[in-house]
Amino acid sequence: GAGVSQSPSNKVTEKGKDVELRCDPISGHTALYWYRQSLGQGLEFLIYFQGNSAPDKSGLPSDRFSAERTGGSVSTLTIQRTQQEDSAVYLCASSLVSQTDQPQHFGDGTRLSIL
Amino acid sequence: RKEVEQDPGPFNVPEGATVAFNCTYSNSASQSFFWYRQDCRKEPKLLMSVYSSGNEDGRFTAQLNRASQYISLLIRDSKLSDSATYLCVVNPKRAGNQFYFGTGTSLTVIP
Repeated sequence: GAGVSQSPSNKVTEKGKDVELRCDPISGHTALYWYRQSLGQGLEFLIYFQGNSAPDKSGLPSDRFSAERTGGSVSTLTIQRTQQEDSAVYLCASSLVSQTDQPQHFGDGTRLSIL
Repeated sequence: RKEVEQDPGPFNVPEGATVAFNCTYSNSASQSFFWYRQDCRKEPKLLMSVYSSGNEDGRFTAQLNRASQYISLLIRDSKLSDSATYLCVVNPKRAGNQFYFGTGTSLTVIP
């Protein structure tokens, strides 16, 4: 079946521009997560959506970062006024929440480079 | 204290060797545990879930020790293709369903 789909695969943009990253989770998965990973580093949690509940935004590094999840499916992560330190791979994952012991499934990620 | 801690390694082992990684977690109420594998410049992929009684999948064995709050991954008869970073993941089942990832243990299997 279809896995988690992210777009674009790669994004190169100039410092100060806004970017939008898209994630299409596995059908039926009610939980959706955004992480970022800098080169050689571990995963940094950004934000988590679960069904219709208020998202857990505790990982967003600044108010330049925001995310939406419309209709409980597709999510968009927006970074405003990008900075060079925003360069990283942005990973999206989804999981079934209604059952226990359900792992996360990751998309291929968006590699963001800020010039 | 971090939610999940792993020895970053690197572990360099010869082909055919047995290697084990441990991961400790801080929340004693944690209920779900996983090992993920991440290849260089790729996304993490689920290797196996970790069950209370321990579980095995081919050359891979996962164990959970609740008393000491750690999980382990044992790889027998290491293959060159096992070279990767292994991530320990814990879901403490607190408010929400956030997963906590360790920073990973790097394994290189040498011919």
